[in-house]
Amino acid sequence: KAGVTQTPRYLIKTRGQQVTLSCSPISGHRSVSWYQQTPGQGLQFLFEYFSETQRNKGNFPGRFSGRQFSNSRSEMNVSTLELGDSALYLCASSLAGAQTQYFGPGTRLLVL
Amino acid sequence: GDSVTQMEGPVTLSEEACLTINCTYTATGYPSLFWYVQYPGEGLQLLLKATKADDKGSNKGFEATYRKETTSFHLEKGSVQVSDSAVYFCALSDSTAGGTSYGKLTFGQGTILTVHP
Repeated sequence: KAGVTQTPRYLIKTRGQQVTLSCSPISGHRSVSWYQQTPGQGLQFLFEYFSETQRNKGNFPGRFSGRQFSNSRSEMNVSTLELGDSALYLCASSLAGAQTQYFGPGTRLLVL
Repeated sequence: GDSVTQMEGPVTLSEEACLTINCTYTATGYPSLFWYVQYPGEGLQLLLKATKADDKGSNKGFEATYRKETTSFHLEKGSVQVSDSAVYFCALSDSTAGGTSYGKLTFGQGTILTVHP
């Protein structure tokens, strides 16, 4: 069974731009969670989607948003990029209601 | 809120040495506990898990026991290899009494392990 895939793997943007990251979960997994990883803050939870609905949200500004499609694929969007948004963005999927999450390889975003 | 505290790192060991990485947690519900490993340039891989008190998770020679009385989930390995060099994260997933999880893992700071030949 294929794992979680994320595209693109690397991105370079400039301040003020916006970016969209994509995540395809493991087949049969309907829950998708997003995390931001930085050297200073570590791994922080952004939000979780299940059946196209956001069920849980972390403590991030409204510039960070996401959505989930009917095939469980998910996207996250960051608008008005700031230098501090440079990070590794990780997506994870899980079976409905399950606590074990399986992670993708991440998208590394650099904001200049 | 939920929190996870890992021992300060980094940890440097010689091959075949014993490893212990301490992890303690605070949670309000019925958490499951996890250890994830991250190799350079990669995402997180699930190493092992335990879903209730006194459960022992194990994988690839690594073990951790869910100790509710001490709120701990320490990672251990009897003989490390150079290939074990990576960053290790302790994490918890809290849930309701009915066992439903809402997709949030809370992570510790991570511990960098370097194993020398």
